[in-house]
Amino acid sequence: RKEVEQDPGPFNVPEGATVAFNCTYSNSASQSFFWYRQDCRKEPKLLMSVYSSGNEDGRFTAQLNRASQYISLLIRDSKLSDSATYLCAVNPKDSSYKLIFGSGTRLLVRP
Amino acid sequence: AAGVIQSPRHLIKEKRETATLKCYPIPRHDTVYWYQQGPGQDPQFLISFYEKMQSDKGSIPDRFSAQQFSDYHSELNMSSLELGDSALYFCASTRAAVSSNYGYTFGSGTRLTVV
Repeated sequence: RKEVEQDPGPFNVPEGATVAFNCTYSNSASQSFFWYRQDCRKEPKLLMSVYSSGNEDGRFTAQLNRASQYISLLIRDSKLSDSATYLCAVNPKDSSYKLIFGSGTRLLVRP
Repeated sequence: AAGVIQSPRHLIKEKRETATLKCYPIPRHDTVYWYQQGPGQDPQFLISFYEKMQSDKGSIPDRFSAQQFSDYHSELNMSSLELGDSALYFCASTRAAVSSNYGYTFGSGTRLTVV
């Protein structure tokens, strides 16, 4: 079983739709959680950190459920420019602070 | 703002050749991470350095080695290249003191093609 798992999608949604992705992690000691966005053949770019109390940044909301060991990303009012692959990343609480990535969920927003 | 600089952007090598990838972290960042991303795959952690010392090691083949220099730039050396080494290689940097809250920033990557 992979340490961090995501539904690969693709999620194909119309503009203006609300879409949610989940990501599960296996190491209960994991301490830091992030969502990254990756466009084709480009580097991952940090979208947002995920805090225990949940956090929002414009149309994006991230939630953490430690009991069930998953994080989620909600995108409201989808734009064409939101089309990308969304990677969740988890720091498994070790001294190097390395991040373990999920395989990503692909989002396609259609006109 | 300065970003993580990687060079070269593209590299084509033949099997059994060697390659050196370079990474220049954001100024004042003390930690560097190397990742390998194959086609359609997630970024796989290879190795990391903190203050010029190796801090962690992931799925890095024995044919690869890396180091961080006194100016904090890092180099990934790859020998006896195989076709399966063809991938995007990303470097990321952070300040260890804040990385747990802010994640880290990736460079644009080096696309290595082994033919």
